[in-house]
Amino acid sequence: KAGVTQTPRYLIKTRGQQVTLSCSPISGHRSVSWYQQTPGQGLQFLFEYFSETQRNKGNFPGRFSGRQFSNSRSEMNVSTLELGDSALYLCASSLGVRTSGELFFGEGSRLTVL
Amino acid sequence: AQTVTQSQPEMSVQEAETVTLSCTYDTSESDYYLFWYKQPPSRQMILVIRQEAYKQQNATENRFSVNFQKAAKSFSLKISDSQLGDAAMYFCAYRNPNAGGTSYGKLTFGQGTILTVHP
Repeated sequence: KAGVTQTPRYLIKTRGQQVTLSCSPISGHRSVSWYQQTPGQGLQFLFEYFSETQRNKGNFPGRFSGRQFSNSRSEMNVSTLELGDSALYLCASSLGVRTSGELFFGEGSRLTVL
Repeated sequence: AQTVTQSQPEMSVQEAETVTLSCTYDTSESDYYLFWYKQPPSRQMILVIRQEAYKQQNATENRFSVNFQKAAKSFSLKISDSQLGDAAMYFCAYRNPNAGGTSYGKLTFGQGTILTVHP
């Protein structure tokens, strides 16, 4: 069974540009959540999608957005990139029901903003 | 708001020895889940062990076990017979399954503990 797949794995952008990251969850998983990981702030929750609807959102500016498609694949977008957006962006999927709550993570997308 | 604290930024252990990683959390909820995740240098986060707050029995997964003290809000991870492959960043995480009724994917993480295993 394929795991959580994130693309691209690495990317370099310049300030002011925008970026889109993609996440394909494990087959059958309907919940996708996104996290930002930086050395200074650690792991911070961005948002969560279930059945194409955003269910929860972390404390990030409106430049960070996302969506989920009918096949549960998700994308997140960051507009008007800032240097501080350089981070590892992790996607995680789960069944989306009230189970033991295990999240399965992808390998992440490493974003560098110059 | 819930918070998770890992007070040990770095720990080291000799191969075959035992090490304990500490984690404390703060919550006003009575029903929640606690997790330990491992992130090796390859970066993929892997679940090590989980504990349901309503269960008094401490969770165990092979060489990994936890000491869950609900009243003290403490959740430590013990790794027995440490192996070189255990070297990684370890994160303690909390999830409240009742948050908003539909929040399945929001984990609150600690800052992490880097574990080094010496041969």
